[in-house]
Amino acid sequence: AQSVTQPDIHITVSEGASLELRCNYSYGATPYLFWYVQSPGQGLQLLLKYFSGDTLVQGIKGFEAEFKRSQSSFNLRKPSVHWSDAAEYFCAVGRNTPLVFGKGTRLSVIA
Amino acid sequence: GAGVSQSPSNKVTEKGKDVELRCDPISGHTALYWYRQSLGQGLEFLIYFQGNSAPDKSGLPSDRFSAERTGGSVSTLTIQRTQQEDSAVYLCASSDRDSLNYGYTFGSGTRLTVV
Repeated sequence: AQSVTQPDIHITVSEGASLELRCNYSYGATPYLFWYVQSPGQGLQLLLKYFSGDTLVQGIKGFEAEFKRSQSSFNLRKPSVHWSDAAEYFCAVGRNTPLVFGKGTRLSVIA
Repeated sequence: GAGVSQSPSNKVTEKGKDVELRCDPISGHTALYWYRQSLGQGLEFLIYFQGNSAPDKSGLPSDRFSAERTGGSVSTLTIQRTQQEDSAVYLCASSDRDSLNYGYTFGSGTRLTVV
């Protein structure tokens, strides 16, 4: 069965610091992988996605993620966090079936 | 339309009443998905439409939940005899499964509160 694990429920980082949000998945074949961001009271916005090819993918707002098949991971990174990045982040996996989402990681940014 | 539209944005209902939640997907998107988001629980898949048919309704929690899609466009999620545990944010998404730019576009959701 497909599943996504986001080990960190809540992360706090200082503005300007680097960020890495972890995502591990279980999927029977080569998956499509996604990261979404949800700001308070908003719907989910797609940050980036991986289908195939280059394992390092660039997204919006300066985010990137790296697909590591050997580790079944798709971690999200940003070199320098801005206060506006405070939100909930969801990793998702799927291909020919509806996406399965992780439970999310809440990011807080402090001055 | 330009995005996925959901209505109402907020709904407060009394336990035992029926509610209807509406989703208007992006024009031309053939696939439509309903998810439920409860506090701390992430997104729970409910049902998926391809055109007007629902190949996967495995996530509907009980027979009180039903959904339909007409004209390959608007979808309605109906919850009968609402219970307090139905309180959640109901999210709708649409996608063009045949597009190389495949990905879900989400609406802002309907926050349902059962009192």
